Amino acid sequence: NAGVTQTPKFQVLKTGQSMTLQCAQDMNHEYMSWYRQDPGMGLRLIHYSVGAGITDQGEVPNGYNVSRSTTEDFPLRLLSAAPSQTSVYFCASSYSAGLNYEQYFGPGTRLTVT
Amino acid sequence: GENVEQHPSTLSVQEGDSAVIKCTYSDSASNYFPWYKQELGKRPQLIIDIRSNVGEKKDQRIAVTLNKTAKHFSLHITETQPEDSAVYFCAASTGNQFYFGTGTSLTVIP
Repeated sequence: NAGVTQTPKFQVLKTGQSMTLQCAQDMNHEYMSWYRQDPGMGLRLIHYSVGAGITDQGEVPNGYNVSRSTTEDFPLRLLSAAPSQTSVYFCASSYSAGLNYEQYFGPGTRLTVT
Repeated sequence: GENVEQHPSTLSVQEGDSAVIKCTYSDSASNYFPWYKQELGKRPQLIIDIRSNVGEKKDQRIAVTLNKTAKHFSLHITETQPEDSAVYFCAASTGNQFYFGTGTSLTVIP
């Protein structure tokens, strides 16, 4: 049971380039989310999904796309990278059973846009 | 949307003393309140959580309290140890969305 995995661990992009951050979970969790973490700002929700085929925007969705074709995978696409997207990105998954929404995080991807 | 505020942003305590971190939330629909510990360069790890149908929960040296009327919840760490030094985040959730506070950097001085 690998939990939540993310690739790559580190990435450097030039302004204008596009790329996809990968996220996968093997816990059969319904819910998956993407966050970015910037110094002094905590974790901010980018996009989330409540199940395969269903996605929605979070607090800071601009410049990012997501899709959820399977329960396991939830990739995050940067359409045209900008220096403001330099950040650490965390993927997370959770299940919902009554009021139990315990969320598990992946190890993170550190992205630098030059 | 939900707004979570967390205080203080930094906290230094002597080893063995207690530490208290406070959070407020705005959305009365939030019903799940987790606390995460994040060490430098690592992922956030859940340390304790509380649901809206409970007022207090304790797990060894860590406790969390929730006041739904006032919309605030707090983390209490007793008998602090150097390994408690980390950044702590509170969050509020309705289940499918989690909103985080801005974090508290706790330093436990030996």
